[in-house]
This record gives sequence, C-alpha cells and structure tokens, in this order.
Amino acid sequence: KAGVTQTPRYLIKTRGQQVTLSCSPISGHRSVSWYQQTPGQGLQFLFEYFSETQRNKGNFPGRFSGRQFSNSRSEMNVSTLELGDSALYLCASSLGRTAANEQFFGPGTRLTVL
Amino acid sequence: TQLLEQSPQFLSIQEGENLTVYCNSSSVFSSLQWYRQEPGEGPVLLVTVVTGGEVKKLKRLTFQFGDARKDSSLHITAAQTGDTGLYLCAGVTGNQFYFGTGTSLTVIP
Repeated sequence: KAGVTQTPRYLIKTRGQQVTLSCSPISGHRSVSWYQQTPGQGLQFLFEYFSETQRNKGNFPGRFSGRQFSNSRSEMNVSTLELGDSALYLCASSLGRTAANEQFFGPGTRLTVL
Repeated sequence: TQLLEQSPQFLSIQEGENLTVYCNSSSVFSSLQWYRQEPGEGPVLLVTVVTGGEVKKLKRLTFQFGDARKDSSLHITAAQTGDTGLYLCAGVTGNQFYFGTGTSLTVIP
C-alpha cells in the first residue's frame, strides 16, 4: 500500500508570492491534516479536513488555507508569503477523524521563502 | 502557545547506554503519542498511551503516561545507532494534536 505522498518536495519562493502544496493520502483514508514544522516553533497543527470539510483549525493567519477533494486528496495554499513561512510542511492522513485514528505522515514539502 | 515541553532538547550518547526523554505539560490530555522522525521523512508513530499511569513496552523502548495525564516519559535501554532521530511527543485534547518541542537523539557507535 503506497504511503502519503506530497508534492513538490522542495520549493523556493519569494516574499509576496503564493504557493500551493499537494497531499495524496493513503488509499481509503478520509482525513488529512496539515502541519508546519520549524526549528523554533516545532511541529504546529494547521488544519484537518475530513470528507471535504475543514473540521479543525490551528492558530494560523487567514493567509493559510486548504481544501480537500472528493478523492480525499488535499491542497494547502499560502498567500502573500513571508520569510517566516519558510518551513517543512507535513501532511498526515488517517482512516477517520485524526484524534481517534493513527495518522501517517508524508515526507513533507520543504518551502524556502527568499 | 507551546503546551508540551520536552527535555532534554539534544542528547548525544554512546551505543549501549540508557536514556530517558521527558514530555511535560500543565494541560491534561485524553491521550499522548510518541513519534520518531528521521531526516527527510515525516514522523512515524511509536506508541499511543491513553490511561493515566499506563506503561507500554516496545522491545527496548518503555513509555509511561503520568497519573494525571499531563506528562510522559520515553526510556530507551541499550541504545543503538538506529535509534538516532528526533523524538516528538504529542498530546491529544478535543480533536487536536499538540506536539512537543522535540528531542534530537544521536547515538554514537
């Protein structure tokens, strides 16, 4: 069974641009969560999608948004990029709602904002 | 807001030594998980503890959940080079995960 895949793996953008990251969950998984990982703040929860609906949201500005498609694939968008958005963005999928099921992480997308 | 503090932040030990990593919080969690993350990869779940005072053993790894469900520890016996990685605890409350600050472990051969 294939694991969680994230594309692209690496991305370089400049301040003010926007970026879209993609996540394909494990087949059959209906929940996708997104996290931001930085050396200073560690791993922080962004949002969770289940059955195409955002079920939970972390404490991030509105520049961070996401969506989930009917095939459970998810995208995350960051608009008006700032230097501080440089981070590893991780996606995790689980069978059902994340809190009650094991979540499996993808390898992440490394975003660098110049 | 960082709800979970891990200590130590960095740990470098010789192969064969024992070590303990701590995960502390002032918040109560319904469950607590431990993950290991290797460079270039996402975290991988090691264990979930649910009951206060619970102890789980996975080969050389022993996990304990505090009686009050606010803290946890991970003890590794006879560390091996394959144990090298970033260890993360994560507390679950409501429907949200809160990850700890992480402990970077290096096991030297």
